[in-house]
Parts: sequence; C-alpha cells; structure tokens
Amino acid sequence: TQLLEQSPQFLSIQEGENLTVYCNSSSVFSSLQWYRQEPGEGPVLLVTVVTGGEVKKLKRLTFQFGDARKDSSLHITAAQPGDTGLYLCAGASMNRDDKIIFGKGTRLHILP
Amino acid sequence: EPEVTQTPSHQVTQMGQEVILRCVPISNHLYFYWYRQILGQKVEFLVSFYNNEISEKSEIFDDQFSVERPDGSNFTLKIRSTKLEDSAMYFCARRSGRAHIEQFFGPGTRLTVL
Repeated sequence: TQLLEQSPQFLSIQEGENLTVYCNSSSVFSSLQWYRQEPGEGPVLLVTVVTGGEVKKLKRLTFQFGDARKDSSLHITAAQPGDTGLYLCAGASMNRDDKIIFGKGTRLHILP
Repeated sequence: EPEVTQTPSHQVTQMGQEVILRCVPISNHLYFYWYRQILGQKVEFLVSFYNNEISEKSEIFDDQFSVERPDGSNFTLKIRSTKLEDSAMYFCARRSGRAHIEQFFGPGTRLTVL
C-alpha cells in the first residue's frame, strides 16, 4: 500500500519566518502534486512536479521533488498570515497515474 | 482553467436511503474522479472514469457505489443504501486530458447520513 507521510502535522510560526514542510514515502511516484485546502472546500492545486530533483517556484513558495521521486518538500519564505491553511501532498502511482494518494496534510498557522 | 461544479453542496439523508451526487463539468472533459474526505481525515480516492467507463476503483468503492454519465454531461456518484460511515465530503475532480496529469477539484458535496 502506498502511503504519503507529511510532517509536521501542525506548524505555527510568526509572520516573516521561513518554514519547510515535508512529504515522504517509501514508494516511487510518477508525479507529485501539492494542494492547499480551506475548511469546507475542495483542494486547490498549487503545483505538480514530475522529474526527480525538479524544483518549482510559486512566488514565495518553493517546491522540490526528491531525486528518487519518493519525497517532496515545500519551503515558504517570509511567511505571511495569508499562507495559513492546510497543505496537502498527493502522489500519482507509477503504474496507474489515475489514482492519486493523498497525505494527511500539514496545517500551517502564521501568526501576525 | 475552471474546475467542476458539484450539486448539491450539502445533502442530508437517512441511513439506508439512496443518494446521487452530481458533478457538472465546465467544458467537455473526459477524465473524472470521485474522492471522499471524512471529517478530519485525508482525502481518499474512490474511482476514476474515462470515456464513460470506470478505469480504476479503490477498495472503498464497493457494490454500494456506482458512477455514470447518463446524459453525456453530468457525472454522478450513487450510493445505494447509505450508512452512517458514508458521512463525508465528496469531491469530484477532472483532468484535462491524457497528457495532463493535474487534477482539478470541485467544491465538494457534504453528505450527512443520520
């Protein structure tokens, strides 16, 4: 069974600080997506990474896919209160990329 | 690109009743997915649907569940005899095409089984 472990589960930091959250698995994925989910709403896609070692930037957010395509990280620079939310990673199976496996998420709270 | 829309936004039903959740694509997509999220838990894959056929389903998607696209537009998830543990958010997602791996999610339907 493929599993994605996200850490930390909860993170509360001051505005302006930097942070990194992680998404780890023992399985290889063909691609990995990061989503952000607000309470009572559907996940909103932030980025997709496909190539091992790939790095993508979205303003102050930097996403990296591990060389072996088993893990990923999300780094936020100079966090702002608007970054508060639940961040989910989701991996697509190597053999059946229709099936996406989600992690439980990291709940991020940025204090003003 | 816009996501899909889902109806209803909230459905309350009695245990044992049938429910139909609907997903309305904005444009003519071919790849659709249903996921569920029990309160406080992770998003779980239920089923993928391509070209009017199920392409993959999870162990959660048992005989109580079915999907179809009856009019070539709306994509539906039917639960035949709801159980208390079916209470969850149900999300429809779509994919642009075979060459596109990203899935875009709808706002969800909150199903409450009493």
